[in-house]
Formats: sequence, C-alpha cells, structure tokens
Amino acid sequence: DAGVIQSPRHEVTEMGQEVTLRCKLISGHNSLFWYRQTMMRGLELLIYFNNNVPIDDSGMPEDRFSAKMPNASFSTLKIQPSEPRDSAVYFCASTTGPHEKLFFGSGTQLSVL
Amino acid sequence: QKEVEQNSGPLSVPEGAIASLNCTYSDRGSQSFFWYRQYSGKSPELIMFIYSNGDKEDGRFTAQLNKASQYVSLLIRDSQPSDSATYLCAVGGGSNYKLTFGKGTLLTVNP
Repeated sequence: DAGVIQSPRHEVTEMGQEVTLRCKLISGHNSLFWYRQTMMRGLELLIYFNNNVPIDDSGMPEDRFSAKMPNASFSTLKIQPSEPRDSAVYFCASTTGPHEKLFFGSGTQLSVL
Repeated sequence: QKEVEQNSGPLSVPEGAIASLNCTYSDRGSQSFFWYRQYSGKSPELIMFIYSNGDKEDGRFTAQLNKASQYVSLLIRDSQPSDSATYLCAVGGGSNYKLTFGKGTLLTVNP
C-alpha cells in the first residue's frame, strides 16, 4: 500500500501566485481531509470530503482557498492569489469511516515570499 | 467551538521513566479519541485510539479515557529517546468524520 501521496513536497512561490497542492488517497478510503499546520495554530482542518462530496468547508480561511475532488482517489487544494500568511505545512489525510484512524500524507511545505 | 487542550510542554523525562501526557476536550458528545505522534518535520502517525471509558494498553502505551471528566491521557512506560516527539490528541464527535486536534505536547526523553 503506497499510503497517502502528496505533491509537491516543497513549494516556494511569490505573493500573488497561484498554488496547487495535490493528494492521492489510499485505495478503498472514502473520506479525505485537508489540514494546515503552523506553530501558532497547530493542526487546523480546512475541509473534508466524503465520497467525493465536500461535507464541511468551514475551516477554509477565505475565498482564495478552494478544494476539489474530481474522482474518488484524487484531490487538489488551490490558493489563488497566495499570500505570505499562507505559509505552512499542508497535510491531506484519508480514512474509511467516522471512527477509524486517519492516515496522513507526507505534507507540502509551502513558503510564500 | 469544539476545543481540545493540551499542555504544550516541553515535557522532559529520563530514559526508562513513565511519560504522562494529558488532554481535555470541551464537546461532551465526543465519541472517539486518538493519540498521534509527530516527529519533527514528519507527518502525524496514529499510535493509540480509545472509544470507551477506562484503560487501553498496547505495548508500552496506555490510553486512559474519562468521559465524565472529559479527559484523556497517554502513558508511555519505559520511555526511550526514540519516543521524543510531539504528541497530538485528537477527538472525534458523533457520526461525522471530523477530528479536532490539540496543539500537541512536546516530549523529550533524555538518555
């Protein structure tokens, strides 16, 4: 099992540029979560999908952030335009059920200059 | 706003000692409780989960849950330097999939 796969591992960009983060779920998992982690705020849930449908996007900071799940195994998180305060580690994670364990990807370290 | 509180630490223990990590949560409807370990620069990995009041043991790890007090803890026996990491408490509620994480406790085990 390859686990949750995220790309890129590192992204450095300039303020105002569009950033797209990618995530491939573990086969057989039906729920996907996008988290953001910073020292100040810890691990924050941005959005989660169940069976490709967005269930709760209340954690998405603002309209500059959008997430899609075009099929059962793949998701993208887009930031447009990016700002320095978006700098963080972005994790995606997947699971099979509401009380089951969450498997995390390796994360994307985003730096917006 | 559901909250999960942890002491940020650092918690420092000598090798071989018992490390005790604590977590409180605000939502009385919470039903699932998890402990994740995160090494510096790595992603969180699950080490324990507990759903019922009482203790659950797995090797050197014991999770303890007290729903009346809204308290969950993790004990690490015979602590090793390799246990040095940040430990994240996560709490899930009801029928939804949403986990709320604490900010984590940094544990340092000194040789």
